[in-house]
Amino acid sequence: AQSVSQHNHHVILSEAASLELGCNYSYGGTVNLFWYVQYPGQHLQLLLKYFSGDPLVKGIKGFEAEFIKSKFSFNLRKPSVQWSDTAEYFCAVKGGAGSYQLTFGKGTKLSVIP
Amino acid sequence: NAGVTQTPKFQVLKTGQSMTLQCAQDMNHEYMSWYRQDPGMGLRLIHYSVGAGITDQGEVPNGYNVSRSTTEDFPLRLLSAAPSQTSVYFCASSSLAGVEEGEQFFGPGTRLTVL
Repeated sequence: AQSVSQHNHHVILSEAASLELGCNYSYGGTVNLFWYVQYPGQHLQLLLKYFSGDPLVKGIKGFEAEFIKSKFSFNLRKPSVQWSDTAEYFCAVKGGAGSYQLTFGKGTKLSVIP
Repeated sequence: NAGVTQTPKFQVLKTGQSMTLQCAQDMNHEYMSWYRQDPGMGLRLIHYSVGAGITDQGEVPNGYNVSRSTTEDFPLRLLSAAPSQTSVYFCASSSLAGVEEGEQFFGPGTRLTVL
C-alpha cells in the first residue's frame, strides 16, 4: 500500500521568506506525485505534478518541487512567499498508469505573516 | 457548467440515522470519488467509480455505500451514522485521462456532524 508523509504540521513564515515543505512517500513501483493547495474556505486545487522526465517541476504561482527518487521525496519550494500563500498544502501519490487511487499526506498548514 | 455540486452543505445527524450525500457533475467525467477530510489526517478516499455501474472501495469504505447508476451522479450513503463519521466530505470528478494527470475537480464539500 502506498503512503505519504509530510513532516511539518504547521509552518509560520514572514513574507519574502523562502519555503520548503517536506514530503516522503512509500510505494513499490512507478509513482505519479502531486502537490495540492487548499486556500481557507475553498476546495483543493492542483499546484503541480510529476510524472517522468526532469525531476524539477514547476507549478502555478511560482511553486516548484523536486523529485529525488533515491530519497523517495518530493519537496515543495518557493523562493519568496506572500501573504496570499497562506493555505494548507497536501502532497499526494498515485501509482502508475491505470491506477486511480490518490493517497494524500496529512497536510501542512502554512501561515504567512505580512 | 456548474462543475461538481454537492448537497447539502451542512448536515447534523443523530447516531444511528441514515442519510445520503449527493454529488453531481456536468462535465461527462467517467471518474468520480468521495473523500473525507479530518483535521490532521488529510484527505482519505472512501469510494470511487470509473463509470456507470462500476464502483470500488478506497482506503476507508466501512460504514459507507455508493452506487453509480448514471455518469452524472455519485451519491454517498451513510447507513447508520456514528460520531466517528463527523467530517467534511468532498466529491471529486475527472476524465479517466485527467485522473491520470491528477486533474481532479473537487466539489465545495459537505460538513457533517454526528451527535
